[in-house]
Amino acid sequence: TQLLEQSPQFLSIQEGENLTVYCNSSSVFSSLQWYRQEPGEGPVLLVTVVTGGEVKKLKRLTFQFGDARKDSSLHITAAQPGDTGLYLCAGYHNNNDMRFGAGTRLTVKP
Amino acid sequence: KAGVTQTPRYLIKTRGQQVTLSCSPISGHRSVSWYQQTPGQGLQFLFEYFSETQRNKGNFPGRFSGRQFSNSRSEMNVSTLELGDSALYLCASSLARAGGNEQFFGPGTRLTVL
Repeated sequence: TQLLEQSPQFLSIQEGENLTVYCNSSSVFSSLQWYRQEPGEGPVLLVTVVTGGEVKKLKRLTFQFGDARKDSSLHITAAQPGDTGLYLCAGYHNNNDMRFGAGTRLTVKP
Repeated sequence: KAGVTQTPRYLIKTRGQQVTLSCSPISGHRSVSWYQQTPGQGLQFLFEYFSETQRNKGNFPGRFSGRQFSNSRSEMNVSTLELGDSALYLCASSLARAGGNEQFFGPGTRLTVL
């Protein structure tokens, strides 16, 4: 069982659509991070959220950390083919133990 | 500034053999963490090294080991390879301890065990 559950596992949408992916846990995290990974490369950090209820925006991407610091969401507005990739959430459990979700594989078709 | 480099990028081994993977962190980074990524299990934490000391260890058997050198470069060793060890092995470096700090990932070493 994953400590961090991500949904959906796979998502295929058309360019211009909006989407939301979720990262949920029954555990509290001191911080949560979102990464994007493209084929043949390692994950690249998109954002870190630290405070419960925090919302961060990165261009068309909006990240939210749940009030109880157990869950997070990533919303993409007007998705583009360049957004295609594996989106991973990761949290620091007990401060130094980093756990990753299984990821959401997003495909944006032109 | 050069990113995290991992060598080799691809490796094919047979069951029972052993393998050593190498990771060179970003200059100035003292923490190196190793992860195993498979389609079924996702990214799983192996261990973290900081200033040549293993600070954290994930839930992997003793066949998986590592070390860090004084220049912060790290190696990971897997002995008595099993088919299930086929995976993408990623290392990540950060300035200080991995906890709470941004980690920068290398491109990974894809290990195939036949």
